[in-house]
Amino acid sequence: SYDLTQPLSLSVALGQTATINCGGDDIESKNVHWYQKKPGQAPVLVIYRDYNRPSGIPERFSGSNSENTATLTISRVQVEDEADYYCQVWDRSSSVVFGGGTKLAVL
Amino acid sequence: QVQLVQSGAEVKKPGASVKVSCKASGYTFTTYDINWVRQATGQGLEWMGWMSPNSGNTGYAQKFQGRVTLTRDTSISTAYMELTSLNSEDTGVYYCSREGDGYKYWGQGTLVTVSS
Repeated sequence: SYDLTQPLSLSVALGQTATINCGGDDIESKNVHWYQKKPGQAPVLVIYRDYNRPSGIPERFSGSNSENTATLTISRVQVEDEADYYCQVWDRSSSVVFGGGTKLAVL
Repeated sequence: QVQLVQSGAEVKKPGASVKVSCKASGYTFTTYDINWVRQATGQGLEWMGWMSPNSGNTGYAQKFQGRVTLTRDTSISTAYMELTSLNSEDTGVYYCSREGDGYKYWGQGTLVTVSS
């Protein structure tokens, strides 16, 4: 099976940059999607296919994917960015795989 | 606009089954696969399976093989997820989502509580 590894938590000061990594074997060969999940709400797609932003997602959200690590970067972090973030890929052996999620706290 | 509207909360006893519906609107139902994702209480997002509304073909996560069945009724643009042999670890919120570049469209979620 294919595994995605994310840090459990991350704390960032208001206005600073948050960087959330997602590790996986040769992940750069896969399309990585990122979701924001707030309590009581459905997940929101914030980045698709490594670095693309859906309409309505602020430009502060960006993504990259290289070798064994995909990265979600949130610039100028706002209070409303406090949430759980999940990476996701499709893998031939495991079908759809989600990372374990990273809880982002804004200080 | 694309909408996925799920059925309401359920309370089930251990060993029972639950069937959650997901009604699609705003697009041609048979064009995109429907996936099901759950978030068990205190846990992360977990993919359960996919279904093609066009063909009825399905694929399931190994963890749920034998316990989950995905079906659809194209006449009413509705997908269903049935989970059997429920236990307390199945308590959580179940979501349907539409396939695309990532999952852009989601249902509002259905809370399933398993309790004796």
